[in-house]
This record gives sequence, structure tokens and C-alpha cells, in this order.
Amino acid sequence: GESVGLHLPTLSVQEGDNSIINCAYSNSASDYFIWYKQESGKGPQFIIDIRSNMDKRQGQRVTVLLNKTVKHLSLQIAATQPGDSAVYFCAESPGANSKLTFGKGITLSVRP
Amino acid sequence: GAVVSQHPSWVICKSGTSVKIECRSLDFQATTMFWYRQFPKQSLMLMATSNEGSKATYEQGVEKDKFLINHASLTLSTLTVTSAHPEDSSFYICSATSPLDYGYTFGSGTRLTVV
Repeated sequence: GESVGLHLPTLSVQEGDNSIINCAYSNSASDYFIWYKQESGKGPQFIIDIRSNMDKRQGQRVTVLLNKTVKHLSLQIAATQPGDSAVYFCAESPGANSKLTFGKGITLSVRP
Repeated sequence: GAVVSQHPSWVICKSGTSVKIECRSLDFQATTMFWYRQFPKQSLMLMATSNEGSKATYEQGVEKDKFLINHASLTLSTLTVTSAHPEDSSFYICSATSPLDYGYTFGSGTRLTVV
């Protein structure tokens, strides 16, 4: 979901369940998309990326889906663990070494 | 993998003073570096883009005379917050890219508190 105002929305999931975090991006010319995880007081940590010529990419426990038609990006986390609790941001870029624009972010909270 | 070192991790300064934040790429040459600012519970907002040896490009609304960016070498970029005020208190994060791949490597951030 998208945030309203200045507060990040929160997604609460049960440990062991799958999580789906969604992001709507704005620039149809964006060529490169990245998901980041940010823990409190730290810089963003790379999770997974995808180029615009793909619609799905899988990593270890994570999958990114790209729907260019509706400018939508999602991150799926399998078997969510307490260590996955953090703020997640999607980011888009028009190309290599170009500026990266961040989405609004979602807080993932994992219930034990 | 690529590592970006950002220093200091936190700093407290008095209103009216200047603070310099350093961002170093440790094992690659960073042709482009980006500086972001992040307020609590908000996203990262790009402040400026700097290319080695040239003037930084600032985003709309960011005062270039207040936030001085220097990218004098392929491994070092600095951000100086001049005449800091309490409203400049924020989390500042740098990011670097190299021409070899698509990756963006982020520093660990600097928490600036102006009192």
C-alpha cells in the first residue's frame, strides 16, 4: 500500500508466513528497479533488483515482480523470519549510474 | 563486494557551525556519488548527484550554498553542512556507483543533530 501523510504504513505478518510488499512507481521510463531493506539507524541494504526487460526475478527466499503496464513492483518474502522486520523501500532508476528515486517505504513487522 | 565507508556515523554540533561528512569507496572507483537526506519515518530524499571532478547537481529545493559537495577523487566525496540549524538535523546517507555495473552501494549513514 501507499503511505498517506508522513507515516510509513505497516505490514504485520506471522513468522513463517509469506510477505508481499507492494510499490507503485511513477516514471514509465525507469529501466532499473531495486528493493532495499533498512534497519533503524543504518543505510539501505540491497535485497534484489530487476531490469525493465524482465517481469520476475528470484533470489534466496525473495522474489521481485515487475508489471510495467500498471507501473507496479512487488517483493515477496517466503517464510518470513523475525530478522526480516525492517523498513522496505522500492527504488527506480532510468539507467546505469543515474539517480535512484526511492518510494515511500513500508514497515514489515513479523509476529513471533 | 563493493564497500562504501561513511564517516562520522553520528555528530552533534552547535547551531551556526559547519559539519563535514565523508563518503569513501573502499574497493572500487566511484564515478558518481549521491547524497540523500532522511527524516524520521520518511523515505530517502535525493539531495544531489556528484561526478568526480565536476560540480554537483542539486535537486530542486536543496540549497547548494548550504550543502557543499566536493567529489575531488574517484574514492572520496564530502558533504559539508554550513551554518547548521536545528532543522538540518537528519540522517544523511551517501551512495556510490561505478561504471562497471548497475550497482548502487550505500554508506551506513550519518546522524546529524544540531543543538
